[in-house]
Amino acid sequence: EAGVTQSPTHLIKTRGQQATLRCSPISGHTSVYWYQQALGLGLQFLLWYDEGEERNRGNFPPRFSGRQFPNYSSELNVNALELEDSALYLCASRPTGTVGEKLFFGSGTQLSVL
Amino acid sequence: KNQVEQSPQSLIILEGKNCTLQCNYTVSPFSNLRWYKQDTGRGPVSLTIMTFSENTKSNGRYTATLDADTKQSSLHITASQLSDSASYICVVSFKTSYDKVIFGPGTSLSVIP
Repeated sequence: EAGVTQSPTHLIKTRGQQATLRCSPISGHTSVYWYQQALGLGLQFLLWYDEGEERNRGNFPPRFSGRQFPNYSSELNVNALELEDSALYLCASRPTGTVGEKLFFGSGTQLSVL
Repeated sequence: KNQVEQSPQSLIILEGKNCTLQCNYTVSPFSNLRWYKQDTGRGPVSLTIMTFSENTKSNGRYTATLDADTKQSSLHITASQLSDSASYICVVSFKTSYDKVIFGPGTSLSVIP
């Protein structure tokens, strides 16, 4: 069974540009989470999508946005990139209604903003 | 304030030695606590889950403990191997109507030969 897949693996952008990161959850999982992990820091919650709806949002500015498609894959968009947006962006999934159940993580997208 | 703290921030041990990582939390209402292992450049992988009524749980060379009264958990690694080198993250879940977890900052473990 395929795990959570993220693309691209690495992304290099310049300040002010826009970045799009993609995530495909495990088959059957309808909940998708996005986290930011800056170098040397813990995971910071960005967004949670469940069955196509945004359920919760972390303490990030509006230029961080996303969506979930009918097939439950998800996209994270970061507009007007800033240097401090450089980080590993992790996507995780799990089945709907499994509060407290473990998250299955992808390997992440390493975003570098120059 | 709901938060999760971990100590030490980083740790270096010799291969074959044991070590213990600590996690303190102030999350309420508490649902469960998980320890994740994150290899460099990879996503975290769940090692163990502890619920309110559980004190100890083992997964191979990993043993997690939970003291719900003092809101502390530990992860003990026995007979460490080079492959244990990773970041270990304590994650606490809320018991609410919606799903919410808080990640600790992690402990970076380096096992050297």
